[in-house]
Amino acid sequence: NAGVTQTPKFRVLKTGQSMTLLCAQDMNHEYMYWYRQDPGMGLRLIHYSVGEGTTAKGEVPDGYNVSRLKKQNFLLGLESAAPSQTSVYFCASSYGGQGRPYEQYFGPGTRLTVT
Amino acid sequence: QQQVKQSPQSLIVQKGGISIINCAYENTAFDYFPWYQQFPGKGPALLIAIRPDVSEKKEGRFTISFNKSAKQFSLHIMDSQPGDSATYFCAAMRGGSNYKLTFGKGTLLTVNP
Repeated sequence: NAGVTQTPKFRVLKTGQSMTLLCAQDMNHEYMYWYRQDPGMGLRLIHYSVGEGTTAKGEVPDGYNVSRLKKQNFLLGLESAAPSQTSVYFCASSYGGQGRPYEQYFGPGTRLTVT
Repeated sequence: QQQVKQSPQSLIVQKGGISIINCAYENTAFDYFPWYQQFPGKGPALLIAIRPDVSEKKEGRFTISFNKSAKQFSLHIMDSQPGDSATYFCAAMRGGSNYKLTFGKGTLLTVNP
């Protein structure tokens, strides 16, 4: 099992450019999440999904869009990148109510720099 | 509104010492209080968790102490090792919230040899 994978690992964008971050999980998890991690700010939830075809806003959704067309994939889009979106982005997935509902499995992260 | 407050922001401990990280929460509806460990260049991973009906949980050298009346919980790492050097996040989860976690801001632990 690869677990949770993220593509790409690094990216540099210019202000105003767009891009899509791909998250894939092979654990058949219903729930998927996108976070951003900034120094001294912890992990902040951007958007999440409770199943294929569903998405919902998290704590800091502005400037981002998401889609979950397939259960195993969760895409995070930046339509017009801004320097404030320079961050490390983490995708996570979870079973939800089974076993340990507080356990999320994280990907390795994508480091995005917007100049 | 920061629902989970974590301190200290950074911590330096000598090998063999005890590392203590504290968290406080505001929402009494939280049902679970997990801790996550993150090594440099990696994603966070679940370390240990506790429910509010338990005052203490121990797994190896890691112990969570929970004080429901004070709305505080803490992570104790006994006999700290250089391999424990990482960033630690406390978190809280409320049942019925689509299993969303609310994280503290993290503590960078450095264990010197």
